[in-house]
Amino acid sequence: AQKVTQAQTEISVVEKEDVTLDCVYETRDTTYYLFWYKQPPSGELVFLIRRNSFDEQNEISGRYSWNFQKSTSSFNFTITASQVVDSAVYFCALSEGLTGGGNKLTFGTGTQLKVEL
Amino acid sequence: NAGVMQNPRHLVRRRGQEARLRCSPMKGHSHVYWYRQLPEEGLKFMVYLQKENIIDESGMPKERFSAEFPKEGPSILRIQQVVRGDSAAYFCASSPPTTGVTGELFFGEGSRLTVL
Repeated sequence: AQKVTQAQTEISVVEKEDVTLDCVYETRDTTYYLFWYKQPPSGELVFLIRRNSFDEQNEISGRYSWNFQKSTSSFNFTITASQVVDSAVYFCALSEGLTGGGNKLTFGTGTQLKVEL
Repeated sequence: NAGVMQNPRHLVRRRGQEARLRCSPMKGHSHVYWYRQLPEEGLKFMVYLQKENIIDESGMPKERFSAEFPKEGPSILRIQQVVRGDSAAYFCASSPPTTGVTGELFFGEGSRLTVL
């Protein structure tokens, strides 16, 4: 069975600090995708990144960066120079193919990030 | 292109009533998924549907919950005889027919059910 663990329930930082959100996953599939989503206080889910299991290159997008380590089954997310607008719950997720061509995402329990002035 | 549309955004029901949540997938998407987010928790898969077919309902509670995706019209998640524990945010997602394991799900803004 697929499993995603986000051990950090809540993190508080001061604006401009860097912060890393941890994600560890379990799967028996050789082909899979990993995701990060942001859920701001308004409640919607905002897609941040998708990474496939064959691509271990780190990715950077502005202040966001992701570190995929297959050897440790981790897909960590770093926000550089955090801002108050980054305050949200962040979810890591793992995809699993389903019969019929669909797929199912298994989500972690989320990390609540609070960025204070 | 309109995104995934869910309504109502907020729904209040008393115990024992029925709740109906609707989801219109993105144009061209034939796969629909429902997820539930209980307070302070992550999203949990409930059901995966294609037009007129339930493909995987492994995450659906055995009783009171049902889902459909008719040939015409939106997908409906129906909860009969609601109880307080059904209070949650219900998210719908859709994907194009060739997504496979890549996981390109597009989420709606969610419907928040409160049971009094």
